[in-house]
Amino acid sequence: QQQVKQSPQSLIVQKGGISIINCAYENTAFDYFPWYQQFPGKGPALLIAIRPDVSEKKEGRFTISFNKSAKQFSLHIMDSQPGDSATYFCAASKEWGAQKLVFGQGTRLTINP
Amino acid sequence: DVKVTQSSRYLVKRTGEKVFLECVQDMDHENMFWYRQDPGLGLRLIYFSYDVKMKEKGDIPEGYSVSREKKERFSLILESASTNQTSMYLCATVDTEAFFGQGTRLTVV
Repeated sequence: QQQVKQSPQSLIVQKGGISIINCAYENTAFDYFPWYQQFPGKGPALLIAIRPDVSEKKEGRFTISFNKSAKQFSLHIMDSQPGDSATYFCAASKEWGAQKLVFGQGTRLTINP
Repeated sequence: DVKVTQSSRYLVKRTGEKVFLECVQDMDHENMFWYRQDPGLGLRLIYFSYDVKMKEKGDIPEGYSVSREKKERFSLILESASTNQTSMYLCATVDTEAFFGQGTRLTVV
């Protein structure tokens, strides 16, 4: 049973466009929702994270939008750049912090120059 | 910077072999985790440890065991490697966020 469902599996965006990756979760006990970015040959690295008491968090070109009632959250990358090409994972856990993260399936993002 | 070091980047092992994957962290974190990463499935938790000599099963522990004799070192053991354990294995240490190693790509033939 996949507790966190991520879509799309792959995404191609033109340079300067907006990349949007969506995740849905089932467990209402989750209260920490991070996004991880992984480049080839590297381990995932934390990109941005949100708690359910806010509906949006922005860090530079990266924004998380959170909809608690729909149990959905999404990552928006504004002005997408070729250097953003990577695999992105959403995740969730029941405790603030990264204990026992449950990951989505991943999205391979390609930004065309 | 937190450093999480996995002993091997690539490993090729034969079916039935006992395999050891080593992970060392340099930040004195209590919590360490082992995940496996497979295309289309994301990362799945195998085992984790909140303290020395302590271990707990994750979501997919079958065929694996772990050892944590020292705080900085967390080992994943494949008791008898099988082809369905061919995967990317990721170690993580956790404080307020998870810090991952670079991964070990294991191929079982």
